[in-house]
Amino acid sequence: DIVMTQSPDSLAVSLGERATINCKSSHSVSSSSNNNNFLGWYQQKPGQPPRLLIYWASTRESGVPDRFSGSGSGTDFTLTISSLQAEDVAVYYCHQYYSLPHTFGQGTKLEIK
Amino acid sequence: QLQLQEPGPGLVKPSETLSLTCTFSGGSIASTTSYWAWIRQPPGKGLEWIGSIYYSGSTYYNPSLKSRVTISVDTSKNQFSLKLSSVTAADTAVFYCTRQASWNSLPGVVNIWGQGTMVTVSS
Repeated sequence: DIVMTQSPDSLAVSLGERATINCKSSHSVSSSSNNNNFLGWYQQKPGQPPRLLIYWASTRESGVPDRFSGSGSGTDFTLTISSLQAEDVAVYYCHQYYSLPHTFGQGTKLEIK
Repeated sequence: QLQLQEPGPGLVKPSETLSLTCTFSGGSIASTTSYWAWIRQPPGKGLEWIGSIYYSGSTYYNPSLKSRVTISVDTSKNQFSLKLSSVTAADTAVFYCTRQASWNSLPGVVNIWGQGTMVTVSS
């Protein structure tokens, strides 16, 4: 199985500041044939199901604010929130869909400083 | 509006079989661009992919659960189901039914989530 490791486990950022969450996979999740990175990011607020934010490592899902961006390739990926809003308080998960079984990172809890 | 709906919370006794059914509304479950999956989340913990099914019935399961899991689909009812046998307290979790995009005939990113249903395993 591909192990997904997120860092940090928790993060406190001031409103309006940048938040950065990292995700590292134990095996490359990039396709050599088409350069696709099989990596998604999800946001989960308390008491709610996760919500897809980013797929193919850097493509924003429809309706997701443009302050959310994804980057990276191979084994190292980053989710960036450019200017933190109060409604962004949540747990964020990365997900590899490169190989079965699909696996998720352990989650990063984002709070307001 | 595309929606997945699971049943309400449930209680299952140890060693019994957990059964859940999810209904898709707003579209057809017989889509060539989708897989239908179950993902679970133990209280206070992370997400675990259980398995996925295509509308034709082909399935992929997590090897860690494969011996106990069956996922099936009923296109006439726009539903898919999960059975998990020989449950223990470790199976206590919120179970989400989800839709995954299909990529090269394999399940991909999860783009729709149901609200989740809490299943507790206890005598």
